[in-house]
Amino acid sequence: GAVVSQHPSRVICKSGTSVKIECRSLDFQATTMFWYRQFPKKSLMLMATSNEGSKATYEQGVEKDKFLINHASLTLSTLTVTSAHPEDSSFYICSARQSNQPQHFGDGTRLSIL
Amino acid sequence: DAKTTQPTSMDCAEGRAANLPCNHSTISGNEYVYWYRQIHSQGPQYIIHGLKNNETNEMASLIITEDRKSSTLILPHATLRDTAVYYCIPGGSSYKLIFGSGTRLLVRP
Repeated sequence: GAVVSQHPSRVICKSGTSVKIECRSLDFQATTMFWYRQFPKKSLMLMATSNEGSKATYEQGVEKDKFLINHASLTLSTLTVTSAHPEDSSFYICSARQSNQPQHFGDGTRLSIL
Repeated sequence: DAKTTQPTSMDCAEGRAANLPCNHSTISGNEYVYWYRQIHSQGPQYIIHGLKNNETNEMASLIITEDRKSSTLILPHATLRDTAVYYCIPGGSSYKLIFGSGTRLLVRP
């Protein structure tokens, strides 16, 4: 149980385009979803916390207009990297949790901006 | 958020127990201790969590000191597939997990 699916697993696109990443909880309803990014040989950095039906809460230093988060249902959250540039290239990972349960993570999306 | 201190790296022989320590001396009373691991190029995998009592599941055991300032994750019979970065993370009512640097565990054949 507690499976979180992320799509796509890898994406390569040109500078200036927007990229959408999906995060789905497959066998549970996620009251809260989280988005992280990870640079090579570094730890995960929390970007934002997303509750279904409400606006996401962003961590300090994360641009909310750059990283748009939508949590439209209890099983789906999306992260859109708008007008992506090479410095946005990273490993993006989502997690989801249901009430009083630990977070479970997706397998990540490797984003490369050329 | 409570800070944690973990060894940068450890190694153990395959088949032996791996004991991974974590210091979380600033943990608050309502914060659980969560353990996750990350195998290269994958998302973190939940292992175990606890508040005060020791916990055991099919993956590992968690020993928490009585003063809750430190804990130890025990993998009873390490295999090569247990090679990963292990993170000890205090987590409270906000449910946010703030990852530190973790311990890189290498299981040797």
